[in-house]
Amino acid sequence: AQSVTQLGSHVSVSEGALVLLRCNYSSSVPPYLFWYVQYPNQGLQLLLKYTSAATLVKGINGFEAEFKKSETSFHLTKPSAHMSDAAEYFCAVSSGYSTLTFGKGTMLLVSP
Amino acid sequence: DGGITQSPKYLFRKEGQNVTLSCEQNLNHDAMYWYRQDPGQGLRLIYYSQIVNDFQKGDIAEGYSVSREKKESFPLTVTSAQKNPTAFYLCASSTDRGGGNQPQHFGDGTRLSIL
Repeated sequence: AQSVTQLGSHVSVSEGALVLLRCNYSSSVPPYLFWYVQYPNQGLQLLLKYTSAATLVKGINGFEAEFKKSETSFHLTKPSAHMSDAAEYFCAVSSGYSTLTFGKGTMLLVSP
Repeated sequence: DGGITQSPKYLFRKEGQNVTLSCEQNLNHDAMYWYRQDPGQGLRLIYYSQIVNDFQKGDIAEGYSVSREKKESFPLTVTSAQKNPTAFYLCASSTDRGGGNQPQHFGDGTRLSIL
């Protein structure tokens, strides 16, 4: 069985501050991991994915994530938040099958 | 441009009525998926299909049905047996053939409400 835990349903940052969104996973086999972003009333867009190559993965819009096997984590970071980053972010895991298990999401709020 | 089209964007259902949500993709993807999204619950898998004329139940299939008669189409029917159908429904597709290492591409969703 696989599962994803996203710590914090809401995260608030100021514009220009570091963004850190936490994701921990559980998987019986080496996982594939994904981060998605969702803007209101829209579908999900892929930010980045980890598929067993480099442990530090760079994605779109300046986001990156680091796979840490010992901590079973895949936290998402961005050095400097923009107002346009305000959205809901989802971490997802696949354990080698074609289905994904999603976390419950973290809403990122960015204040000026 | 290639993508996934979901229609309608908003849908209203009366008690006891079946409704069908449309999902069409022109990405030539083999796999297609239906998710239900409720506030604070993330995405939960309803059904998925890896090939035409074949599909599997996800975690919350009760009260839903699907068909996959064409590669590009994967309609979802919300039946009257689904007692709490109000939600945001998302369709996705992927090139994944069982390995799990391919991302899913999403449509813009259909919001279903009960009258």
